[in-house]
Amino acid sequence: SQKIEQNSEALNIQEGKTATLTCNYTNYSPAYLQWYRQDPGRGPVFLLLIRENEKEKRKERLKVTFDTTLKQSLFHITASQPADSATYLCALDRRYGGGSQGNLIFGKGTKLSVKP
Amino acid sequence: AAGVIQSPRHLIKEKRETATLKCYPIPRHDTVYWYQQGPGQDPQFLISFYEKMQSDKGSIPDRFSAQQFSDYHSELNMSSLELGDSALYFCASRIAEFGFHEQYFGPGTRLTVT
Repeated sequence: SQKIEQNSEALNIQEGKTATLTCNYTNYSPAYLQWYRQDPGRGPVFLLLIRENEKEKRKERLKVTFDTTLKQSLFHITASQPADSATYLCALDRRYGGGSQGNLIFGKGTKLSVKP
Repeated sequence: AAGVIQSPRHLIKEKRETATLKCYPIPRHDTVYWYQQGPGQDPQFLISFYEKMQSDKGSIPDRFSAQQFSDYHSELNMSSLELGDSALYFCASRIAEFGFHEQYFGPGTRLTVT
């Protein structure tokens, strides 16, 4: 079965530094991979989606890379701020042959703490 | 912008009782997903609906059932509640068009079974 691993449960960095989160997956070749942010007690919020034919995607201070050979995605937050502190979830979206799209399979998440 | 609405936000039930959770997707979204998130866990997919038909099923117990209505809102019915059912239940919606894959999550319903 598909498996997603996020390299660390927690990551502590200093404000202004770049945070790099890793997502690895096995037994699967996804058409795309998504990153979500989740604050305590709240629903995940979509951040970025990267497709299998894309190497990199950017949005403001966020950057995602996707290496289908390594089966790995890296998520970067540059010039990090305390407000970026949250849990970041990597998710795979399975594609079906017809009808609706598949559900999301999430990694365990990485809890990022940005210290002032 | 309109977001996914879930009700109730909090629910306390006793063991063996039933519970009904409601989800109102973003307007024009035709696909609804239900997820369960236990304490310290990642969200686990339960069930999804596309155009009012069940489209996929995950780790949903037989005690749970769900449906999507003609106005696209969805309800998750949970019977014979167990202590282990205590969790956050999220509903998410999306529009099933090519190129649109992100899901929009509601604020969740926190279910506590005592």
